[in-house]
Amino acid sequence: QKEVEQDPGPLSVPEGAIVSLNCTYSNSAFQYFMWYRQYSRKGPELLMYTYSSGNKEDGRFTAQVDKSSKYISLFIRDSQPSDSATYLCAMSDQAGTALIFGKGTTLSVSS
Amino acid sequence: EAGVTQSPTHLIKTRGQQATLRCSPISGHTSVYWYQQALGLGLQFLLWYDEGEERNRGNFPPRFSGRQFPNYSSELNVNALELEDSALYLCASSLRLNQNIQYFGAGTRLSVL
Repeated sequence: QKEVEQDPGPLSVPEGAIVSLNCTYSNSAFQYFMWYRQYSRKGPELLMYTYSSGNKEDGRFTAQVDKSSKYISLFIRDSQPSDSATYLCAMSDQAGTALIFGKGTTLSVSS
Repeated sequence: EAGVTQSPTHLIKTRGQQATLRCSPISGHTSVYWYQQALGLGLQFLLWYDEGEERNRGNFPPRFSGRQFPNYSSELNVNALELEDSALYLCASSLRLNQNIQYFGAGTRLSVL
């Protein structure tokens, strides 16, 4: 079992839809959780950062962490064509260690 | 404020050659991380440098090495290149006090022929 599992998609939605992206993990020591967005031929861009369990909201984006289920989610409201990208979840067990990434979910939002 | 910058953008080498990739972190960031993003494998951690020292390395052979300079910029060297080394190499930097928040550069795409 891989440490971090992420459905690669592709996920196609119409503009304005609510998008749900998810990752599961096996290491219960993970306590730092990130979501990155990567456009084609670009580096990953940090979208959301969460420590431990709970929700965090930033504009159209909401990140949720459920440590009891080892499951994290990213919700995108009112999706836009500019949201079309690959979304990567990442996590670590302590500060300063390597981030462990999911393989990414490719999202396409059509206008 | 300038982000993480990497050079070159593209690098083409042949098997057995050496490749050198460079990274300049965000101003004020002391930690530099290197990741490999190969097709189908996702981002995999290579190396972590902080204050000029190698702090951690991923599950890669010793022919992957690097260093960090006094100005916190970093270099990744890959010796004896193999075809499977073809990938996007990403550099990230972070503040010492918040090392989980890593900011990435655009990467160097290495092609080994």
